[in-house]
Amino acid sequence: DAGVIQSPRHEVTEMGQEVTLRCKPISGHNSLFWYRQTMMRGLELLIYFNNNVPIDDSGMPEDRFSAKMPNASFSTLKIQPSEPRDSAVYFCASSLGTGGEKLFFGSGTQLSVL
Amino acid sequence: SQQGEEDPQALSIQEGENATMNCSYKTSINNLQWYRQNSGRGLVHLILIRSNEREKHSGRLRVTLDTSKKSSSLLITASRAADTASYFCAIAGNMLTFGGGTRLMVKP
Repeated sequence: DAGVIQSPRHEVTEMGQEVTLRCKPISGHNSLFWYRQTMMRGLELLIYFNNNVPIDDSGMPEDRFSAKMPNASFSTLKIQPSEPRDSAVYFCASSLGTGGEKLFFGSGTQLSVL
Repeated sequence: SQQGEEDPQALSIQEGENATMNCSYKTSINNLQWYRQNSGRGLVHLILIRSNEREKHSGRLRVTLDTSKKSSSLLITASRAADTASYFCAIAGNMLTFGGGTRLMVKP
């Protein structure tokens, strides 16, 4: 099993540009989570999906952030327009079952917005 | 918030010593989990302890849970330089929420 796959590994962009982060969960997992990690705020849950349906997006910071899961093997997190304060490491994780089970994390996307 | 809080924030020990990290939380839980994060990598699950369990072992790891005190501890015995990482507790209620982590440095 290849694990959770995220792309790109690093993204450097200019303020105002659109950024799209991608995630492929582990096959057979029915829950997918997007987290953001910064030194100041630690690891924050942005949104999670169960069976491709968004269950809780209360952690999404503002309307500039959106996430989709068109099928069981793919999810995107989009920021439009990006701002310097969005700079962080974004992690995708997947699990069997719902929110309280063991999570498998991807390697993350290091986003720098200049 | 169910977010756990780890203590200490940073810990530096010599190889061979034991490392103990603590986690406190505020609400009832279904389970509590511990994860490790090496620099520049994603988090890796170490161990899960359910609310009706008091102690769990996995190799050199020992986790305890005291639901009356709303606290958990992670003990790494006979530490190695390769154990250098950040360690996070995660509280499982409806969702999994993470604490700020403990940065462990094991000096060879």
